[in-house]
Amino acid sequence: QKEVEQNSGPLSVPEGAIASLNCTYSDRGSQSFFWYRQYSGKSPELIMFIYSNGDKEDGRFTAQLNKASQYVSLLIRDSQPSDSATYLCAVNMEQTGANNLFFGTGTRLTVIP
Amino acid sequence: SAVISQKPSRDICQRGTSLTIQCQVDSQVTMMFWYRQQPGQSLTLIATANQGSEATYESGFVIDKFPISRPNLTFSTLTVSNMSPEDSSIYLCSVFGRGMNTEAFFGQGTRLTVV
Repeated sequence: QKEVEQNSGPLSVPEGAIASLNCTYSDRGSQSFFWYRQYSGKSPELIMFIYSNGDKEDGRFTAQLNKASQYVSLLIRDSQPSDSATYLCAVNMEQTGANNLFFGTGTRLTVIP
Repeated sequence: SAVISQKPSRDICQRGTSLTIQCQVDSQVTMMFWYRQQPGQSLTLIATANQGSEATYESGFVIDKFPISRPNLTFSTLTVSNMSPEDSSIYLCSVFGRGMNTEAFFGQGTRLTVV
């Protein structure tokens, strides 16, 4: 069974701290990995994507991928109250000739001013 | 990127009725995806809408309950049939950017409440 699992949270961090969000996936053949942010009542919006093992940095966000451990994480540095949202991990599971995105249950992050 | 227009944005419906949700994309795409997001839950894929063929439904979802149309490469509809309060949810259509392993773009979502 193809699964994507996240810490459900809620996760609370003080403003300026580092927020760490974790995700594991079951399909070893997965090729690409995404972090989406979803504000309450809104559609998901892409924050980061990562395809290769290691770290990928974009501003205050760093995605980390370890395919051997089937683990992907998102670090948010200098957390701001505006970062308070639900973060969804999504994995493109291996399917011949097709994209098929599976989502984790999401981690609700609250940044406390 | 892709711009997706989805409507209605929200609706309140009586149980036993049906609602059709429309999704229009600003470019031609092979596949369109329909997701459901129940309150406090993540996104669950309902089905993949392919132009020119039957939609492919995920486990737990059937065509009689969620019929899908895909008349061309830029448009799709999802109907929620014979609604019950358990169908109250946000419904999202989605497409991928060009090529494999690209990000998914989402419509604004339809917030459905069944009373």
